[in-house]
Amino acid sequence: QVQLQESGPRLVKPSGTLSLTCAVSGVSISSNNWWNWVRQSPGKGLEWIGEIHHNGATNYNPSLRGRVTMSMDKSTNHLSLTLSPVNAADTAMYYCARGSALPSSVDDPWGQGILVTVSS
Amino acid sequence: QSVLTQPPSVSAAPGQKVTISCSGTRSNIGNNYVSWYQQLPGTAPKLLIYDNDKRPSGIRDRFSGSKSGTSATLGITGLQTGDEADYYCGTWDSSLSAVVFGGGTKLTVL
Repeated sequence: QVQLQESGPRLVKPSGTLSLTCAVSGVSISSNNWWNWVRQSPGKGLEWIGEIHHNGATNYNPSLRGRVTMSMDKSTNHLSLTLSPVNAADTAMYYCARGSALPSSVDDPWGQGILVTVSS
Repeated sequence: QSVLTQPPSVSAAPGQKVTISCSGTRSNIGNNYVSWYQQLPGTAPKLLIYDNDKRPSGIRDRFSGSKSGTSATLGITGLQTGDEADYYCGTWDSSLSAVVFGGGTKLTVL
């Protein structure tokens, strides 16, 4: 059974750096899947942040490009998301989710999410 | 403002059928596959439909998807109170070079 679990600081100061980790279990992140990050501002809809493949390829949402970096650690089966600098508009629930074998598709499962607040 | 347009809310009685629409353009729905997600209160989204009309393993056939031109539709039959949730459509947008989602539709089972 594939499971994803996000973790990281829940409070980040404005102009600081948001760093999250997603622990993947039940499947190797080196499998032929893309891995996504999606966020949801409180009471709002879903926003795709980007995706990463085990071959190192990444696709980022142009609206966040320049601020976002995704990476993976195959030895620990973890995904990482970095967003910098952050502002209040980056306050959101952040999810990691498995994609398909082809890019540009958010599939299943999703992690339970982690609420990150940007505030001084 | 979301790239894909969904009605903010729909409602129907238990046992009835409901449809949720998702409208886009040629750069997104018109030329790419559509997925649908269910987000129960306080939980993460869950994939209901992928590639316009396919159900992942474990998803009941009460849920169906279709696409025509630049619009997609999610259908739910035999409504249950447990179906009350927010439903989102999503697809790739070739012009924006990003996965885009609808604003979500809140389903109420009266």
